[in-house]
Amino acid sequence: ETGVTQTPRHLVMGMTNKKSLKCEQHLGHNAMYWYKQSAKKPLELMFVYSLEERVENNSVPSRFSPECPNSSHLFLHLHTLQPEDSALYLCASSQGTGGAEYFGPGTRLLVL
Amino acid sequence: AQTVTQSQPEMSVQEAETVTLSCTYDTSESDYYLFWYKQPPSRQMILVIRQEAYKQQNATENRFSVNFQKAAKSFSLKISDSQLGDAAMYFCAYRSGAGSQGNLIFGKGTKLSVKP
Repeated sequence: ETGVTQTPRHLVMGMTNKKSLKCEQHLGHNAMYWYKQSAKKPLELMFVYSLEERVENNSVPSRFSPECPNSSHLFLHLHTLQPEDSALYLCASSQGTGGAEYFGPGTRLLVL
Repeated sequence: AQTVTQSQPEMSVQEAETVTLSCTYDTSESDYYLFWYKQPPSRQMILVIRQEAYKQQNATENRFSVNFQKAAKSFSLKISDSQLGDAAMYFCAYRSGAGSQGNLIFGKGTKLSVKP
């Protein structure tokens, strides 16, 4: 695998379910990100991890819980989501200051 | 706080023609980086081109080039010899050069259509 991978690519879940999104980067980068992309809205940064430490949490509801066990892997744990959380969730990674972010293909999430 | 503005929600270009997408930004910093990303219907976000603010020379990547006007805080993307595969959403993005890990700030995007 090369670049940034995300699984699953599509996910349908009920409001009472618990699921996790997985992201893996094969680029040797030291920072990873979660973004939410809703229809007709700009990308919303959710979480930033640098050297496995969370450095930013943009007022994201607690029903979203990130985990970064090492510099190559990033998870987003989901529980008791709402229908308005349906969106494309994008993972990205970068290296150092000024590094371009490289994105995964995204997970399209539908909450029923 | 930094902001990125893309004033053209939609643009259209004839195949093989040239099109320019606009982007302006607001910042008080002198050290920063600017990017253009492309998001085709597949939704995969792809880096198109990158510009360091301290470089006066405009970045170029094959058919893609930028017009970086630092004083005017303008960063437009020119696509030459447009191809059908260029049809996508294009996002302009800013990253601070200060600190260890400034995150990207994105504009709202411009939807580019390419007519055969």
